[in-house]
Amino acid sequence: AQSVTQPDIHITVSEGASLELRCNYSYGATPYLFWYVQSPGQGLQLLLKYFSGDTLVQGIKGFEAEFKRSQSSFNLRKPSVHWSDAAEYFCAVGTPIYNNDMRFGAGTRLTVKP
Amino acid sequence: DAGVTQSPTHLIKTRGQQVTLRCSPKSGHDTVSWYQQALGQGPQFIFQYYEEEERQRGNFPDRFSGHQFPNYSSELNVNALLLGDSALYLCASTYPQTYEQYFGPGTRLTVT
Repeated sequence: AQSVTQPDIHITVSEGASLELRCNYSYGATPYLFWYVQSPGQGLQLLLKYFSGDTLVQGIKGFEAEFKRSQSSFNLRKPSVHWSDAAEYFCAVGTPIYNNDMRFGAGTRLTVKP
Repeated sequence: DAGVTQSPTHLIKTRGQQVTLRCSPKSGHDTVSWYQQALGQGPQFIFQYYEEEERQRGNFPDRFSGHQFPNYSSELNVNALLLGDSALYLCASTYPQTYEQYFGPGTRLTVT
């Protein structure tokens, strides 16, 4: 079964600084990878996804992620963080089966300093 | 187009009681998945419903059961509630033959 590790429980960055959130996955074939964001008391919003093709994917809110098969990673990046980006970020891995279940990492909490 | 909706928003129950949570998927979506998110953790897959049947199930006891109706809406039932069942319960729906899941805002269940 697939699994996800997010090594950083909590990250603090200054507003305007760049951001990288790490995600490592385990799956025997090409995984389907997702990043979700969750604000306090809210559900999950999809930021971006990778299924195949170009390994650099663009998402909403200025986020991007790069799939690196050799490192089993799918790190999320943003060039300049805004205070409104403070939230919990979850990496998830799915399989190339329609509507299959997803496995989530434990999440990384992002704090943005003024 | 309304997104995934869940009710109620919050719920407080006592140990041993039973609870029913409800979910309405996005328009056109036919598959509903349920996740449990304990405080400080990522969502854990409970089960998935398609064509009114449970298609997949995660590592949850039989106390957790569900149902899907002909209009694709779904219910999650939990019997004999334990303190450890306190969590945010998320519902997600999927468009036919796709991979992306869209989540509702969740139901916060507190068991005392």
